[in-house]
Amino acid sequence: DAGITQSPRYKITETGRQVTLMCHQTWSHSYMFWYRQDLGHGLRLIYYSAAADITDKGEVPDGYVVSRSKTENFPLTLESATRSQTSVYFCASRDRLFYEQYFGPGTRLTVT
Amino acid sequence: SQKIEQNSEALNIQEGKTATLTCNYTNYSPAYLQWYRQDPGRGPVFLLLIRENEKEKRKERLKVTFDTTLKQSLFHITASQPADSATYLCALGKSYNTDKLIFGTGTRLQVFP
Repeated sequence: DAGITQSPRYKITETGRQVTLMCHQTWSHSYMFWYRQDLGHGLRLIYYSAAADITDKGEVPDGYVVSRSKTENFPLTLESATRSQTSVYFCASRDRLFYEQYFGPGTRLTVT
Repeated sequence: SQKIEQNSEALNIQEGKTATLTCNYTNYSPAYLQWYRQDPGRGPVFLLLIRENEKEKRKERLKVTFDTTLKQSLFHITASQPADSATYLCALGKSYNTDKLIFGTGTRLQVFP
């Protein structure tokens, strides 16, 4: 299906484990973004990518790793999950020429 | 410090009235401002974009104004309907790095019949 998808939709993991959240888009958008959304903080940018093999930090990058070997995929890895990383994670993409972003459905991650 | 403020309290209005949501910012020089709608359990959905040199933008029942002197954007929904009930987020694109958006915390709108 066309659009932007995230997997898994829900994940429970333990402190210290590595977790990878997947994001896939079918529009061939140049830009992709990872946000986390927490009560009282709104959406905060973790990392973004302007094209394949180009990534840059956002507002809250510590504890996260990203890669973008293909235009359509932008996985987010928590190398050693902490309770403070319990959140809802949204992936988004946008075309190079237009500023509006298109969001995925989100992944609710709980770190116990 | 840089800050984007949206009214954290929910806005409750009666069906058919105009809803007006506010987005204020400090210490930014935005190149553009966007408004998104977010329903519970879903990702935000883009609604409107207004650039720094534009005063007003309309789309169907939606209207956005942008006053760079007051550092404020107003988002209006005319003839509001219960289906308009959602959280509305404003987001700024900085003039020196238009790649990234900075989001406000959102205002929840409740339209009752």
